[in-house]
Amino acid sequence: KAGVTQTPRYLIKTRGQQVTLSCSPISGHRSVSWYQQTPGQGLQFLFEYFSETQRNKGNFPGRFSGRQFSNSRSEMNVSTLELGDSALYLCASSGGGATYNEQFFGPGTRLTVL
Amino acid sequence: AQTVTQSQPEMSVQEAETVTLSCTYDTSESDYYLFWYKQPPSRQMILVIRQEAYKQQNATENRFSVNFQKAAKSFSLKISDSQLGDAAMYFCAYRSAFRSGGGADGLTFGKGTHLIIQP
Repeated sequence: KAGVTQTPRYLIKTRGQQVTLSCSPISGHRSVSWYQQTPGQGLQFLFEYFSETQRNKGNFPGRFSGRQFSNSRSEMNVSTLELGDSALYLCASSGGGATYNEQFFGPGTRLTVL
Repeated sequence: AQTVTQSQPEMSVQEAETVTLSCTYDTSESDYYLFWYKQPPSRQMILVIRQEAYKQQNATENRFSVNFQKAAKSFSLKISDSQLGDAAMYFCAYRSAFRSGGGADGLTFGKGTHLIIQP
C-alpha cells in the first residue's frame, strides 16, 4: 500500500496570505489528523476528520480550518498567515476498528511565512 | 488534559549497545494507548511500537521493547543492539481510547529525545 502523501512538500508565503495544504491518506483509511510541529511548541494536534466530519479539534485559532472529501483526502487551510505559523505540518491517517488508534504519518509540508 | 514528559533531550549510545529512553505521562483516564514514534532526519514520522493500557504484557517489536508501568505512569523504550539507522528523534505519545460517537483526541506528544549512535 502507498503511504500517506502530502502536497506540496515546501511552501513559502508572506504574512496575511492564506495557504491550503493537501493530504491523501493510506488507501482504506477514513480518519485523517493534522499536526503542527515547531521547535518551540513541539508537536501539537490541530484537528481530526472522519467520514468528512470534523471529529476533534485542538487548541488553535479559527484561522486554521480543514475539510475532508468523500474519498478521504483532506485539506488544511490557514488564513491570514502570521510569522508564527511557520512550521512543519504533518498529516496522519488511521483505519477503523482495532487499528483506529494507530496513526501513520506523511512526510509533512514545510511552511515558511515571511 | 494529558501531558507527556521526556526528560532526556539527548542520549548517546555505542553501536550494538542497548539504550533506554524514558517517558512519563499524566492522565486521569484508565483506558488509553501509548506509542513511540521515530523521526529520522528525513522528517518522516515512523511508528515504532504501541501499547494498550489494558494489556499488562509489555509490547515488543524486534529490537524494540517497552517497559510499561501503569501505576507509575511510565513508558520507557529499550533499543537493543543499536544500529546507525536508529539515530533519530524519538517521541513518546499518548492517546485517549476511542469514545463511541466521539472518536478520540489527537496524539499528545512529548518533546522528544534525540538519539545519537556512536560507531
